[in-house]
Amino acid sequence: EAGVAQSPRYKIIEKRQSVAFWCNPISGHATLYWYQQILGQGPKLLIQFQNNGVVDDSQLPKDRFSAERLKGVDSTLKIQPAKLEDSAVYLCASSLGLAGSRETQYFGPGTRLLVL
Amino acid sequence: AQSVTQPDIHITVSEGASLELRCNYSYGATPYLFWYVQSPGQGLQLLLKYFSGDTLVQGIKGFEAEFKRSQSSFNLRKPSVHWSDAAEYFCAVGAGSTLGRLYFGRGTQLTVWP
Repeated sequence: EAGVAQSPRYKIIEKRQSVAFWCNPISGHATLYWYQQILGQGPKLLIQFQNNGVVDDSQLPKDRFSAERLKGVDSTLKIQPAKLEDSAVYLCASSLGLAGSRETQYFGPGTRLLVL
Repeated sequence: AQSVTQPDIHITVSEGASLELRCNYSYGATPYLFWYVQSPGQGLQLLLKYFSGDTLVQGIKGFEAEFKRSQSSFNLRKPSVHWSDAAEYFCAVGAGSTLGRLYFGRGTQLTVWP
C-alpha cells in the first residue's frame, strides 16, 4: 500500500513570495490533514478535510494560507505572501474514516520550507 | 483546552538499556492518547494508541505505554533500546470528537550510544 505522498520535499523562497505544496493521501482515505511543524515544536493542525469539505480550519492563518481538496482526493496548501515565520515542515496526513481522533493518521514525509 | 507536555527535550541512553519517555496531558474528559516516532526526513509513524480499556498498551517495535489517569500521564517505555530507536518521539492527545485534531507535545529527541 502506497503511503501519503508530498511534493516538493524542499522549497526555499524569499519573503513575500508565494508557494504551494501538494499532497496525495492514501487511496480511499476520506480525511486529510495539513500540519505545520516549526523547528523544536510538535506539529500543529492547520486544516482538516473530510472528503472535499473543510471541517476544521480554526488554526489556519486565512489572510495568507489557503487550502483546497478538489474531488476529495489530493490537496494543495498555498501560502501567499510568505513570511519568515512560515519557515517550517508542512506535513500532510490522511485517515480512512470519519471517526475523528479515533482514526489512525498516516503522515507523509513533509515539505521543508525555508523563507529568506 | 487540550495540551501535552513532554518535559525531556533530549534523552541519551546506551544500547540495551531501558527507556522511559514522559508525557503529561491536559484534557477534561477521557482522552485519546498517541505516541508517534519521527526519524530524520521521515513522516511520523504511529507507535501505539490508547482509547479505553486496559491501561497498559502494547505497540510496534517493542514499545509499550501506560495510561495513568490520576497522574494525567501516558509514559512510553521499552525494556531494551536498539540503536535503530534513535529518533524523535511525540506524544499527542485527541479530543475524541468528530474532529481529528491532535495536540502534540514538543517532542523528545532520543540518542542511543553503542
